[in-house]
Amino acid sequence: AAGVIQSPRHLIKEKRETATLKCYPIPRHDTVYWYQQGPGQDPQFLISFYEKMQSDKGSIPDRFSAQQFSDYHSELNMSSLELGDSALYFCASSRGGDEQFFGPGTRLTVL
Amino acid sequence: AQKITQTQPGMFVQEKEAVTLDCTYDTSDPSYGLFWYKQPSSGEMIFLIYQGSYDQQNATEGRYSLNFQKARKSANLVISASQLGDSAMYFCAMREGPDSGNTPLVFGKGTRLSVIA
Repeated sequence: AAGVIQSPRHLIKEKRETATLKCYPIPRHDTVYWYQQGPGQDPQFLISFYEKMQSDKGSIPDRFSAQQFSDYHSELNMSSLELGDSALYFCASSRGGDEQFFGPGTRLTVL
Repeated sequence: AQKITQTQPGMFVQEKEAVTLDCTYDTSDPSYGLFWYKQPSSGEMIFLIYQGSYDQQNATEGRYSLNFQKARKSANLVISASQLGDSAMYFCAMREGPDSGNTPLVFGKGTRLSVIA
């Protein structure tokens, strides 16, 4: 069965650089979610999209933005990276309120 | 206030025994869903089991079952016949709103389960 695809899997950036994370949801899933999981922490919700429109917004810094494209893939853009942005970034997708399936995550390291 | 509370930072269980991971939740919404995810050391988040607030029966999925006590607002995960591969971090999570909704998940702090041979 198809799963959520995230790229890249690992990313190393310097402070103040920008990063773009990509997510390809499971086919026919209408909602995409982004979560951030810091070291030793639980995942924290950043933002979600339903049918390509922003649906909910969580603790996403102003330096971050995201969008969902016509082919349903989503991108999380992160600018002016800080050391504290080092984390595992998950994309998840669901069909309505069904269980959210998570991608493998992108591990971002900011040096 | 914490919406999801997992009071056991770490648990040990002997291989082939059963183990219960605790989860209590806090919501005033009559409609909600409760989820358990497993996160091995490799980092991926694996969906295990789901319980809806209106479900009459406790959810079961293979060796996983959810002990849902609505009045106590608890949704404990029971793993039967533990295997070495069950060693991982386990997160309890909640989605508030109806089953048809697509609201984000709120996670607990997790319980690290170690299975001993």
